[in-house]
Amino acid sequence: KNQVEQSPQSLIILEGKNCTLQCNYTVSPFSNLRWYKQDTGRGPVSLTIMTFSENTKSNGRYTATLDADTKQSSLHITASQLSDSASYICVVSFNDYKLSFGAGTTVTVRA
Amino acid sequence: GAVVSQHPSRVICKSGTSVKIECRSLDFQATTMFWYRQFPKQSLMLMATSNEGSKATYEQGVEKDKFLINHASLTLSTLTVTSAHPEDSSFYICSARAAFKDEQFFGPGTRLTVL
Repeated sequence: KNQVEQSPQSLIILEGKNCTLQCNYTVSPFSNLRWYKQDTGRGPVSLTIMTFSENTKSNGRYTATLDADTKQSSLHITASQLSDSASYICVVSFNDYKLSFGAGTTVTVRA
Repeated sequence: GAVVSQHPSRVICKSGTSVKIECRSLDFQATTMFWYRQFPKQSLMLMATSNEGSKATYEQGVEKDKFLINHASLTLSTLTVTSAHPEDSSFYICSARAAFKDEQFFGPGTRLTVL
């Protein structure tokens, strides 16, 4: 069973609108949580990294939140652009080397 | 900084042949490199972990004799898919972990198609 669950599996939004992606995890002990953006046919690119003591982290129009008590994280995309169309992957690290990957949420931004 | 490259980006080969994929850390020394495989609409799955100068550690279910990994230097790791078959067709992604930071930096991936 995957220890990192993401929802929704996919979503379509209009350009300029906001959206929020969810990530629930069961990985323990917890080291850090990362959100990556993966364009089709490309490798993942890091958006945010948070340790268990951080509640929020922003990177431009991307804002990630973390609730270590409930083991939930979210990624909020503000004022979406066509270039935001990609897969967004939640990754939880439970030690220095091993990462647990979510299946990703595919975001499609339409004009 | 922290750029990882892969070569080739795309390769098509015949069944039974071997294919080598290179992963390089361009501007940092990578103490550890990781190889992942990703099937369409699925998560990245870790195949193996390699440290420079030592044998790779393979995940359960990954055949070490089929997926040969060599980590010859602190900036280069290679994955060789031996006797490739159509079911090996996938997107192979490497990542490199820098000695100075607890983070993995991913390469752009290699699309392998076995005919």
